[in-house]
Parts: sequence; structure tokens; C-alpha cells
Amino acid sequence: QQQVKQSPQSLIVQKGGISIINCAYENTAFDYFPWYQQFPGKGPALLIAIRPDVSEKKEGRFTISFNKSAKQFSLHIMDSQPGDSATYFCAASKVSGGYNKLIFGAGTRLAVHP
Amino acid sequence: EAGVAQSPRYKIIEKRQSVAFWCNPISGHATLYWYQQILGQGPKLLIQFQNNGVVDDSQLPKDRFSAERLKGVDSTLKIQPAKLEDSAVYLCASSSGGGPDEQYFGPGTRLTVT
Repeated sequence: QQQVKQSPQSLIVQKGGISIINCAYENTAFDYFPWYQQFPGKGPALLIAIRPDVSEKKEGRFTISFNKSAKQFSLHIMDSQPGDSATYFCAASKVSGGYNKLIFGAGTRLAVHP
Repeated sequence: EAGVAQSPRYKIIEKRQSVAFWCNPISGHATLYWYQQILGQGPKLLIQFQNNGVVDDSQLPKDRFSAERLKGVDSTLKIQPAKLEDSAVYLCASSSGGGPDEQYFGPGTRLTVT
């Protein structure tokens, strides 16, 4: 019930291509779905987040697509750049009540080749 | 604005020894989190503080792990005695509140138990 399953484990994309990472969750009480980006030797940093009242959110080259009925959400990186090479984590939590316990996926290691 | 500070950055100890990690959150952030990130996995929440009170420590192995947050600011996480399976990166994060506020992560402490 508390798991967040992320795929693929690793992804290689050519510069300019589209990177797509998928996540699925089980707990229907989750109401906050962030994506974090982590570079080697650094802590994760928030990239973009979505609440379940919308089906899509876009910020620059990054888009979250959310399918509430399927309990799935995905990150799309348009025009992928070598600087996007990092590990990406999806997460989910139930934030109502002022409590934000993030459950992270296992991560996707993205490599963007020039 | 200064980020979340952690020390030490690296620590190597033998099993059954004790170790302590320190975290200084972003100034004014009421909520502090300690996560364990095992190689190849997503971060897992160990304990969450709201000011100096514990909100969630359900995944903290209390027989060997302890944490405190003095005066609602700095925090220390201690492991005593350490086991081989405790080898991981220990991440500290902070947020201004406990809801869907962005969690800011520190660089982490990489612990190796031999």
C-alpha cells in the first residue's frame, strides 16, 4: 500500500530527445506527487510536483502527466540535454493535515548522450 | 539563503562501533527530516521533527538508532552499534512547514560500515 514503483531503472537518450519516466502507486490517499533530481554527491532537489486535481503540469522542458484512475504518473523531459544526466526519483505523500511523509521510488538513472 | 548543512560528509567505521551525524537546517524551517538512502534505492524516511517534537519515527530502528533536535534547530542522528547493513547515505532535509512545502536536502553523509 505504501510502495511507489518506478521504471525504467536506467535510461539512455540522445540529446534533443524525449525522456520518459513512469511511476505507479497503490495508496489512493496520496495527494502530492513530486519529482526529485539528484546529481552524484548531492542531495535530491525538487524538480516539479503535482496534486491530483490536475492531469498535467508543465514547467519549462519538464512535464508531469497524472492518471488518477490508473494510479500512475510520469515525468517527460523534452529536448533532453547532457546536463539533465542525473538520477530522478518520483515520490508520493499524503499532505492533508500538514504531514508530508514522502515515499520515494527506487530511482531512474538518466544518461543524455551528446 | 544558505542550504542544509551536514557533517561529516564521509565516515568509515567498523561494525559494532558508534557514529553520529549532524544537521543544520535552513534558518526558520520548522520541519526536519532524516532519510536513509541505500545505494541504488530511493531515500527512506527515518524520522521527522516538527520544531523539536517527533512527528514520525515509525521506520527508525530504535534499538540502534536515535535522533534529537535541540531547541528546534540543529539535529543529530546516532547509530550505536552499527551493522554492515547500515552502510548508506544519510540525508537531512528541512521544510518551512509539514504540508506540501518543498523539502530541501543537504548533501548527505556517506557511511561505510566494514
